[in-house]
Formats: sequence, structure tokens, C-alpha cells
Amino acid sequence: DQQVKQNSPSLSVQEGRISILNCDYTNSMFDYFLWYKKYPAEGPTFLISISSIKDKNEDGRFTVFLNKSAKHLSLHIVPSQPGDSAVYFCAAQGAQKLVFGQGTRLTINP
Amino acid sequence: KAGVTQTPRYLIKTRGQQVTLSCSPISGHRSVSWYQQTPGQGLQFLFEYFSETQRNKGNFPGRFSGRQFSNSRSEMNVSTLELGDSALYLCASSLALLAGVVDTGELFFGEGSRLTVL
Repeated sequence: DQQVKQNSPSLSVQEGRISILNCDYTNSMFDYFLWYKKYPAEGPTFLISISSIKDKNEDGRFTVFLNKSAKHLSLHIVPSQPGDSAVYFCAAQGAQKLVFGQGTRLTINP
Repeated sequence: KAGVTQTPRYLIKTRGQQVTLSCSPISGHRSVSWYQQTPGQGLQFLFEYFSETQRNKGNFPGRFSGRQFSNSRSEMNVSTLELGDSALYLCASSLALLAGVVDTGELFFGEGSRLTVL
């Protein structure tokens, strides 16, 4: 029972363009959502989050959008840079749970 | 301040053996969570400890266990290892005062312990 799904295992984007990573969830009890970024041989690091009372949160090049009716969130990175190449995990919090998705490997091509 | 420290970083075991992994959280963090990362499965939650008590548990068999000490350091143990237990085991600490709630919106992860079962 995968309550948080990242259906794209990988994504390749040209440097300077927009990267859009998607995440779907099934549990309507989730009320807080986070994105983590993971480089090889390192632990995940927190990137950005959004509360369910909002539909958008922006931090520099990173913006997270939340569509509660569709139970969908997305992470936009603009412009994409080579250092953004990593695995991105979305996570959802609620009902005493913090559940992660499977991750999407983002590759930024020069 | 020092981050989350996990030891050992790499280890190789054979089927049937047992393994103990250690995690030292960030100073002041009382919540320690453990995750298993495998390709295609993402980060699977194992359990969470707060003030020496397990207050949340994922859907893993009883071969996976853990504990937390009074200084908040935590260990996890896997007994009777199986090939499928090969994974990166990540420990994360947070200020989380409520089970499953990341107060600051952040978990601080260690670099992980990569276990290979042959």
C-alpha cells in the first residue's frame, strides 16, 4: 500500500530549463508535505515544504505546488542547474505518520 | 553543530547472521527514526524512538528491532539476515515532539549504513 507515489523513477532536463517533479498521495489525513534531495553516498537533506492550508510555497529557484483536490504535489526547479542532479523524495505527514515516496532521479544535462 | 552520525558506513554479512547499526542524533534531538532505502521502494519507515520509547513502527517483520538509550543514541538490529535485507539504512533525528510530526518540517539524516547480505 504505497500511500505516496512518485511515478517517474527518472527525469532528464536540460540545464537552464524547468524541472518538474511530481508526487501523488492517497491519504486525505496528510496535512504537511516535504521534499528531500539526496546525493549519492549522502543522507537526504530537506529542501522545501508546504502546509495543506497553502497551495504554493516558493524558496528561491524551488517552488512546491499542492493540489489537495487531486491529492497531488509538484516541485518546480527554475532554472535547473547541474548541481540539482540528485534523487528527490517527496514525503507526506499526517495521522502520526511521515511517509516517503519512491524517489525520482533528476539528471540535468549541460 | 555535529550532524547525525551512523556507524558502520559499510558492512557485509551472510544470510542467517545478525547485524547492529548505530546512530547518534544531533545534540538536543530526542526523536530518532530509522528508514530502509532500496531501489524502487524509496524510503521505507522502520520505527521511531523518542525518549527511549518506541512510539511508531512501520510494517517490517519482527527480525527488525531497535532501541534508544538515555543519551538519545539509537541502535537497530536485524536478526537472521536475508538477501532482501541488503539496503541502505538511514537514521534521522528531529525535534519532533509528537509522533510522526516533524515540527520544524525537517528530518536530519545521517549518511547511512550500507548493508550487503551475501
